[in-house]
Amino acid sequence: GQNIDQPTEMTATEGAIVQINCTYQTSGFNGLFWYQQHAGEAPTFLSYNVLDGLEEKGRFSSFLSRSKGYSYLLLKELQMKDSASYLCAANQAGTALIFGKGTTLSVSS
Amino acid sequence: DAEITQSPRHKITETGRQVTLACHQTWNHNNMFWYRQDLGHGLRLIHYSYGVHDTNKGEVSDGYSVSRSNTEDLPLTLESAASSQTSVYFCASSAQNNEQFFGPGTRLTVL
Repeated sequence: GQNIDQPTEMTATEGAIVQINCTYQTSGFNGLFWYQQHAGEAPTFLSYNVLDGLEEKGRFSSFLSRSKGYSYLLLKELQMKDSASYLCAANQAGTALIFGKGTTLSVSS
Repeated sequence: DAEITQSPRHKITETGRQVTLACHQTWNHNNMFWYRQDLGHGLRLIHYSYGVHDTNKGEVSDGYSVSRSNTEDLPLTLESAASSQTSVYFCASSAQNNEQFFGPGTRLTVL
């Protein structure tokens, strides 16, 4: 079957580093997306990993291991504005994205 | 600038009424999607389309329908609204790589 798992909630403090994990089981896997969604707003694109390894984009990095069905999003130098939900989504060949339920990150001072 | 819009942004209706939510994109994307988002469930796919006159059912399609008569629009119709369809609805579009661009959402309340 198809399944995406990620933790429901995480907390962290300003300036810290946090890692949000995502495991997936899908057929025809083509890559893994990460989206950020602030409360009351639409999801916005953060990253897309197709190949194994780490992709860095400023304070955010995303990692993929296709053999393990595993990805993580790494957020460095956390800021209050990073408080949001983070959605991982598996890209399947020939069909729509499969989204996880999202991880709500709360950043405190 | 290209964009994706949804209307209305907020809607209150009564059970049994037909409701249509509009989605319009100017990205010229072939792929369009409708999701609902509820606490504890994340984004769930309702219907999607890969081009004009193409429509496909998603995970939670019962009670919903879509039609695709042109590239820009994918309206979502609730044939007979039910209280269980109270939710936030997001439309999205994508190009071939499947990176989806989301509209601002429609908050629907069915009383």
